Amino acid sequence: RKEVEQDPGPFNVPEGATVAFNCTYSNSASQSFFWYRQDCRKEPKLLMSVYSSGNEDGRFTAQLNRASQYISLLIRDSKLSDSATYLCVVTANPSGTGGFKTIFGAGTRLFVKA
Amino acid sequence: DGGITQSPKYLFRKEGQNVTLSCEQNLNHDAMYWYRQDPGQGLRLIYYSQIVNDFQKGDIAEGYSVSREKKESFPLTVTSAQKNPTAFYLCASSIDTRNSPLHFGNGTRLTVT
Repeated sequence: RKEVEQDPGPFNVPEGATVAFNCTYSNSASQSFFWYRQDCRKEPKLLMSVYSSGNEDGRFTAQLNRASQYISLLIRDSKLSDSATYLCVVTANPSGTGGFKTIFGAGTRLFVKA
Repeated sequence: DGGITQSPKYLFRKEGQNVTLSCEQNLNHDAMYWYRQDPGQGLRLIYYSQIVNDFQKGDIAEGYSVSREKKESFPLTVTSAQKNPTAFYLCASSIDTRNSPLHFGNGTRLTVT
């Protein structure tokens, strides 16, 4: 089982639509959670951190369910510029030794069309 | 402005040659990382360093080597032992490895023929 799993998509949605991405992680002791955005042939950029109580940043809402080891990202009122790959990211200490490391999901591709 | 600088942006090498990718940060971050990304694939961790003079292997360290002699610098050497070196290489840094998000450089596209 992969440490961080995401639906690869692609998701094709019209402008103005609401779209939700899901992510599951395998290590119950995972510490921190993030969503990144990656445009084609560019570096990933931090979209938002994910907090236990859930958090919102404009049109973006992130949720964390530690009991189910599940993270979600909701995008409301999609814009053409939201087209990108969205990466679910978790920090964990898989072996219990050697310190924490940051683990990326493979990403979910989103296409927003006019 | 603070940030991470990777150089060069594009790099071409002949098979059998070692090549070193540069990564410098002025964010005063303790942790630094190297990832590899192949077309249409996710990021895979090569090496990471939590502090100066210390580093750990990631998931795909074979054929790569790193050093962390200075806090600001974390160069990656792609050796001739790496069987499929052509890829997009991303360097990142963070305040720590546990709670902090990663900040990425612009990446280096390495092509080996």
